[in-house]
This record gives sequence, C-alpha cells and structure tokens, in this order.
Amino acid sequence: EVQLVQSGAEVKKPGESLKISCKGSGYSFTSYWIGWVRQMPGKGLEWMGIIYPGDSDTRYSPSFQGQVTISADKSISTAYLQWSSLKASDTAMYYCARVGPAAIAADYWGQGTLVTVSS
Amino acid sequence: NFMLTQPHSVSESPGKTVTISCTRSSGSIASNYVQWYQQRPGSSPTTVIYEDNQRPSGVPDRFSGSIDSSSNSASLTISGLKTEDEADYYCQSYDSSNHWVFGGGTKLTVL
Repeated sequence: EVQLVQSGAEVKKPGESLKISCKGSGYSFTSYWIGWVRQMPGKGLEWMGIIYPGDSDTRYSPSFQGQVTISADKSISTAYLQWSSLKASDTAMYYCARVGPAAIAADYWGQGTLVTVSS
Repeated sequence: NFMLTQPHSVSESPGKTVTISCTRSSGSIASNYVQWYQQRPGSSPTTVIYEDNQRPSGVPDRFSGSIDSSSNSASLTISGLKTEDEADYYCQSYDSSNHWVFGGGTKLTVL
C-alpha cells in the first residue's frame, strides 16, 4: 500500500527555521517525483515544486523559488521542505504528494503538516 | 503563464448530475493533460481524474472527465450525486516547463 506520512504540526516564531518531512512507503521511492503543495487558511491549492529522489532533480514554482528548499534523502525514502527564516505569511497546511514519472499529476497525497508562524 | 478558472460554487440535489468547468485562459486546453482533485472538509486532497479522463482505481465511475476545445475548458461530471461527494474540487494542469497550475477550486454542495 502506497503511503506518504508527513511530520507533525509545528508552531514557530517569525525568523525561525523549519524543516518538515514526508516519508514514502509501499513503492519505489526513487522512481516517482514528490511534490509539495501549500494551502493557506480557507484558500485553494498552490504548487510549490517537485523533486525526483532518484537524482535530486528539483523544480520550483517561480512563486516559491528562493523562499523554500526542497530536498530528499533516498536512503530513508524521505522528502523535505524547509525554510531558513519563516514569516507569518508562511502559516498554512503543507501537503506532499507522489507524482508520476511524467511529473504532471499527483496520485497519492500525504495527510498534511500544519505550520503556524506567530510571535 | 496561463490561469485555470473554475466557478466558485455549485449545488445540486442527491441523485442528480453536476458538471464543474475549468477554463484555460491562454493556450489550448488540449495541449496539456488536466487532473481533478477532491478535497473533503478537513481532509487531504485525493485524485479523482488524471490525464483528462482517466479514473484511478477505487474512484467510482460516477466521476468522469472531459475536455472541450471549442470552449477551451475541461469538465468534471459527477452523476448520481451522493452527500459524500460534497467537497471542494480543483482542476490542475501544467505548462511547457512542467510547472503546475491549479484552478481556484469549486465548492460542491449536495443538498
């Protein structure tokens, strides 16, 4: 059974750093992309970027380029999304999703990680 | 880049059929596959249609997808509506660089 299990909710202060994770199981982690999607409170889905754990090929949405870093450790089947300096506007739910080899569609989704940034 | 525009909300009665549209602002809708995701309240999204009209295993055949080049739009049709279909639905496509674009989402109310 394909599963993506994300790390737990986080409460941080502005300026702090953060790294959240997404662990894949039940499939070949290095044969599929992992995508990250943001959902701000009461809003729609926004594509942040994707990574191919097999070779770490990473593509960012222009809206998020330079704002976050996407990475993966294939030895433990885990992808990451990290911030070096959080802002209040980063408060959102973040979802990871498994993306097919063509990198155009998600098929399985994680349960989401709620990030709250508040002073 | 292009945008995908969806109606903010639609409503229909149980047992009926509803269609949700997704209009592409520039470039041909047929150029790049369209996906549809369902998000029930408080839950993660799930994929109900991929590659314009393909259903993942486990998705009922009450869900179908299509594209219409004349209106440059994609559609998600749900027949035999059930209360459990009440959710937000998002269309998604991508550009020539494989950068994804989501529609704004449509809230389906089954009343």
